[in-house]
Amino acid sequence: DTEVTQTPKHLVMGMTNKKSLKCEQHMGHRAMYWYKQKAKKPPELMFVYSYEKLSINESVPSRFSPECPNSSLLNLHLHALQPEDSALYLCASSQEPGGNTIYFGEGSWLTVV
Amino acid sequence: GDSVTQMEGPVTLSEEAFLTINCTYTATGYPSLFWYVQYPGEGLQLLLKATKADDKGSNKGFEATYRKETTSFHLEKGSVQVSDSAVYFCALSSRDNTDKLIFGTGTRLQVFP
Repeated sequence: DTEVTQTPKHLVMGMTNKKSLKCEQHMGHRAMYWYKQKAKKPPELMFVYSYEKLSINESVPSRFSPECPNSSLLNLHLHALQPEDSALYLCASSQEPGGNTIYFGEGSWLTVV
Repeated sequence: GDSVTQMEGPVTLSEEAFLTINCTYTATGYPSLFWYVQYPGEGLQLLLKATKADDKGSNKGFEATYRKETTSFHLEKGSVQVSDSAVYFCALSSRDNTDKLIFGTGTRLQVFP
């Protein structure tokens, strides 16, 4: 069974707040990803972690800070966001880095006010 | 660089009609190809995939064939249901960078009873 679990499902935060999005998978996958999806657009890659180390940062602003505490967990720390950062944030995983098939979670809907 | 082109939507069909959503790609080498589906308010689900030329991916009555000669991966279903209403994304991962999915713009399918 392929399952990536994200919390919270919905988050509203002010521009001065600090919050975190959490992602968990128990499939033994060694690559994990954060994607951002704006309305009516395809997802865009933000970060890739391979074996718990950051391997790709797609020039994401520093107000987004990823963290991979262990092989099952991936966090995205949010600070001083702008209203234009409001989007669906998708976590994903694959069996190995470059493992070809990427499985997505349900996403966290973020609104910045 | 690598890219994916999908037909513009929305595609509007009556229940039990035949569905085709066109997808073509540009890539160096031989990418893997995917179809993802996104139901309203949800994350992305992997629908089917093909990893080499002439492979046919299939799932839930949907199918797509990897055509190297026409660089295409068109999605088809013989008889759509109202529950198939969603946005469908074609995507590729290149042999050089399988950690990054390149998505098409998505095609919205609306099926009416």
